[in-house]
Amino acid sequence: DTGVSQDPRHKITKRGQNVTFRCDPISEHNRLYWYRQTLGQGPEFLTYFQNEAQLEKSRLLSDRFSAERPKGSFSTLEIQRTEQGDSAMYLCASSSDRTGGAAGQYFGPGTRLTVT
Amino acid sequence: QKEVEQDPGPLSVPEGAIVSLNCTYSNSAFQYFMWYRQYSRKGPELLMYTYSSGNKEDGRFTAQVDKSSKYISLFIRDSQPSDSATYLCAMRSGTASKLTFGTGTRLQVTL
Repeated sequence: DTGVSQDPRHKITKRGQNVTFRCDPISEHNRLYWYRQTLGQGPEFLTYFQNEAQLEKSRLLSDRFSAERPKGSFSTLEIQRTEQGDSAMYLCASSSDRTGGAAGQYFGPGTRLTVT
Repeated sequence: QKEVEQDPGPLSVPEGAIVSLNCTYSNSAFQYFMWYRQYSRKGPELLMYTYSSGNKEDGRFTAQVDKSSKYISLFIRDSQPSDSATYLCAMRSGTASKLTFGTGTRLQVTL
């Protein structure tokens, strides 16, 4: 069990560019979550997958954001036409139905995005 | 008003002290309660989770939930400098998948 991994760890991009982040959950976990965290705040929920199905999306997830989880394994989060307000830490978490579902969500190290 | 309120601190205590961290919440549907520890520029690490009201102990950490008061606490005994971090409370309802977090309390344990 190597934990949740995220790539890249840091991304600096210019306003208007597209960026894509990857998350690899703990191997036996069927649930995967994306959160966004800004300085001095707790993580805010963005979206949730159970296996390959995207079951819930937050209102924070504007049309410029899209997430996928093909084959129910890794997930990608894409932001199109980035804005300075998108600068944040993007966190991925996973959990297993066998551990009580969302009760035990395990987080990755995050991808820190800076939009200049 | 936020669903989960948490004093951002910073809270500074001497090594060996007992630390008390707290959150209040407004959504009576919350049933699962968690505490995460987050070091600077790292992802949150799950410390404790409890279901409904009651106490749970794990080593130096004790989590308490009082649903009647909508109040949860995390106690850290014999605090160490390595405990210096931001502590986040999180909770969810029985049907929800997402966690709702507090803003986090920054803890500094001094020598």
